[in-house]
Amino acid sequence: DIQMTQSPSSLSASVGDRVTITCRASQSISSYLNWYQQKAGKAPKLLIYAASSLQSGVPSRFSGSGSGTDFTLTISSLQPEDFATYYCQQSYSTFRAFGQGTKVEIK
Amino acid sequence: QVQLQESGPGLVKPSEALSLTCTVSGGSVSSGTYYWSWIRQPPGKGLEWIGYIYYSGSTNYNPSLKSRVTISVDTSKNQFSLKLDSVTAADTAVYYCARDRIAAASMDVWGKGTTVTVSS
Repeated sequence: DIQMTQSPSSLSASVGDRVTITCRASQSISSYLNWYQQKAGKAPKLLIYAASSLQSGVPSRFSGSGSGTDFTLTISSLQPEDFATYYCQQSYSTFRAFGQGTKVEIK
Repeated sequence: QVQLQESGPGLVKPSEALSLTCTVSGGSVSSGTYYWSWIRQPPGKGLEWIGYIYYSGSTNYNPSLKSRVTISVDTSKNQFSLKLDSVTAADTAVYYCARDRIAAASMDVWGKGTTVTVSS
């Protein structure tokens, strides 16, 4: 089974900061990598699919990159509504494993 | 606009079966362009993918849950369902249903989630 590892597990940042979250797969998953945002008490929301494609309606400050085993989610200028937990998920194999999550907190 | 709504008992006794249903509105489970998925989240923990079903009835499950999980679809009711056998306290979680786009291999529409507690 493909394992997904995110880093860091949590981070503190200020409004306006550039934030980068990393996701690593235990084997190559090509570009089959998605990013989700989850706010407290809410369902996850799809942000990025296929490693770098922005889901409709998602602000352009969110971007994704990478292929193979290493991927990055970048928030170019952190906004108050971006404080949340972010999950990567691989869709290369039939077992759609998630990373453990990265919590973005206010500094 | 497609919406998904989970329903089912909020409390299940240990060793019994958990059964949940996801009702799809504004779209059809018979569409050949989607899988229909279940995901869960234990209190304070991360997301765990449970499995998905295609409208034809073909399924894929998380290997760690495969022996206890059944996902089924009822196209006449526009619903799909989750059954998890022999539950324990470790199965206490918020359970989400979601639409998984086959071409884009990503879950773009989610239900709000339903909390299931396993306790006697």
